Amino acid sequence: DAGITQSPRHKVTETGTPVTLRCHQTENHRYMYWYRQDPGHGLRLIHYSYGVKDTDKGEVSDGYSVSRSKTEDFLLTLESATSSQTSVYFCAISEALAGVNEQYFGPGTRLTVT
Amino acid sequence: GQSLEQPSEVTAVEGAIVQINCTYQTSGFYGLSWYQQHDGGAPTFLSYNALDGLEETGRFSSFLSRSDSYGYLLLQELQMKDSASYFCAVSVNDYKLSFGAGTTVTVRA
Repeated sequence: DAGITQSPRHKVTETGTPVTLRCHQTENHRYMYWYRQDPGHGLRLIHYSYGVKDTDKGEVSDGYSVSRSKTEDFLLTLESATSSQTSVYFCAISEALAGVNEQYFGPGTRLTVT
Repeated sequence: GQSLEQPSEVTAVEGAIVQINCTYQTSGFYGLSWYQQHDGGAPTFLSYNALDGLEETGRFSSFLSRSDSYGYLLLQELQMKDSASYFCAVSVNDYKLSFGAGTTVTVRA
């Protein structure tokens, strides 16, 4: 199994508070991703990174920011959490070798915003 | 943008064959992937098709027709452990995926 951990695994927070989720990999993969998963929507890309300090927006990036200061760590920040950001968040990594973008997913973080 | 369509639910009995279809509309296309996710777990990679045709991996096979913007995942000799959600995903370039909403497969004894 790819070495990906996410922390925290569960979090309950109040509307308006800042929240940071961490993704850590031990595989030295170039690409890292943050997705959110909600019933009926599958996995939707929030932000991704293609190298240290290199990030870009996904399809649902509003209200989220990211940072990647080291190859192994990718942080997702909700500056001011809202109830609509209650979701399960997955981090994924990929090396995109030979044109096959096989992504390895972390265990997920269940976030509840009350 | 991208849109992917797949059935929301499929139910079948142990030993049966299930086919999950996926149709897509994308602005860029490198290939079609399939992922499996058990309840409460992380998605895991099953297969990838870049060219037309059938790819077989054990009991699972995946098919792609680029001209029809269509693919399917075939699950044979269904087992209880195959009860899970299955997602098709389009590679819009060599590092980004766009996922469908998922198909929940329920296997009955």
